[in-house]
Amino acid sequence: GQSLEQPSEVTAVEGAIVQINCTYQTSGFYGLSWYQQHDGGAPTFLSYNALDGLEETGRFSSFLSRSDSYGYLLLQELQMKDSASYFCAVKDSNYQLIWGAGTKLIIKP
Amino acid sequence: DGGITQSPKYLFRKEGQNVTLSCEQNLNHDAMYWYRQDPGQGLRLIYYSQIVNDFQKGDIAEGYSVSREKKESFPLTVTSAQKNPTAFYLCASDRGNQPQHFGDGTRLSIL
Repeated sequence: GQSLEQPSEVTAVEGAIVQINCTYQTSGFYGLSWYQQHDGGAPTFLSYNALDGLEETGRFSSFLSRSDSYGYLLLQELQMKDSASYFCAVKDSNYQLIWGAGTKLIIKP
Repeated sequence: DGGITQSPKYLFRKEGQNVTLSCEQNLNHDAMYWYRQDPGQGLRLIYYSQIVNDFQKGDIAEGYSVSREKKESFPLTVTSAQKNPTAFYLCASDRGNQPQHFGDGTRLSIL
């Protein structure tokens, strides 16, 4: 079957750096996406990696290694507003998004 | 601005009643999706449509129905056969291998 694995919860301190890992097993691969979801809200798109390497968007970066079926989301200079759930998702050979269960990021002052 | 509009934001269903959730997009996306999210959980795919007049079941289609008569619209009906409909329902759209974008969601509860 198809699956994505990510930690259920990560805790970090305001101003620090945190990395959320995601490993995947899917039939086909058309890119790894990351989404942020605040409590009560809808997921919002953060980043997308189709090729190996690092993509940087402001304080957020995302990395992909297709040979390792692995990616991560890196959040720098953490702010309290970054407290949310973060989901990784992979598009499979049918162009369907397969979702991880989400990582709850808890930020302490 | 282009986007995805879901309505209503909150919906209450009585026992034995069918209810329909609206999803409209003006992004000119070919594909549209419906997801269900339960508290503290990830997203589960209900139905998806790659083109007009065609749709496929996702992982949890039982008790739901959809139609895709127009490119812009993909309404979801929660039928009385869905015995546990209380959840957060999310509509999304995309084109090809581009990332999906979401509406603001509809919260459905049972009266």
